Amino acid sequence: NAGVTQTPKFQVLKTGQSMTLQCAQDMNHNSMYWYRQDPGMGLRLIYYSASEGTTDKGEVPNGYNVSRLNKREFSLRLESAAPSQTSVYFCASREGQGYGEQYFGPGTRLTVT
Amino acid sequence: AQSVTQLGSHVSVSEGALVLLRCNYSSSVPPYLFWYVQYPNQGLQLLLKYTTGATLVKGINGFEAEFKKSETSFHLTKPSAHMSDAAEYFCAVSDYGGSQGNLIFGKGTKLSVKP
Repeated sequence: NAGVTQTPKFQVLKTGQSMTLQCAQDMNHNSMYWYRQDPGMGLRLIYYSASEGTTDKGEVPNGYNVSRLNKREFSLRLESAAPSQTSVYFCASREGQGYGEQYFGPGTRLTVT
Repeated sequence: AQSVTQLGSHVSVSEGALVLLRCNYSSSVPPYLFWYVQYPNQGLQLLLKYTTGATLVKGINGFEAEFKKSETSFHLTKPSAHMSDAAEYFCAVSDYGGSQGNLIFGKGTKLSVKP
């Protein structure tokens, strides 16, 4: 039982390049989330998917797109990376019933030069 | 809308001393509250949570937190700090605003433990 997995662990992009961050969970959870973490800012929600087939914007969605590929997988795409998107990105999942806790992946450290 | 304030971005204690990390929240409805811990270069791990019932909640690694509605607080404590407790701690409140379970995080408190 791997929990929440994310790939890649590290990535360096040049401004304007695109990439997709992958996330998968094996806990049969309904809800999935993408956050970014910046020093002194805590975690900020980018997008979430309350259930398979639905996605919604969070606090900081600009410059990102997401796809809920199936119940297990939730990807985050940067179409044209900018230095302001240098951050650590975390994926999380939650069962979806009630208000239970979220389970986090190990993170992807992204640098945009 | 819900919000979380963590007082003190850095807290330093000596090994064996009391750990107290402060969290205040705002919420228009009874909140669900969480404390997460993040060790260097790792993801977040749940320490404990308050949903309903007993207001003193015990978590992993000897941590506990008390929900005080009148003070809108959910402070995290541990009687005796250990070197392995050095990490960043995040308080979070569940978002009742319509997103059904989204978490609103505080900015985090980095705990240092001196030998």
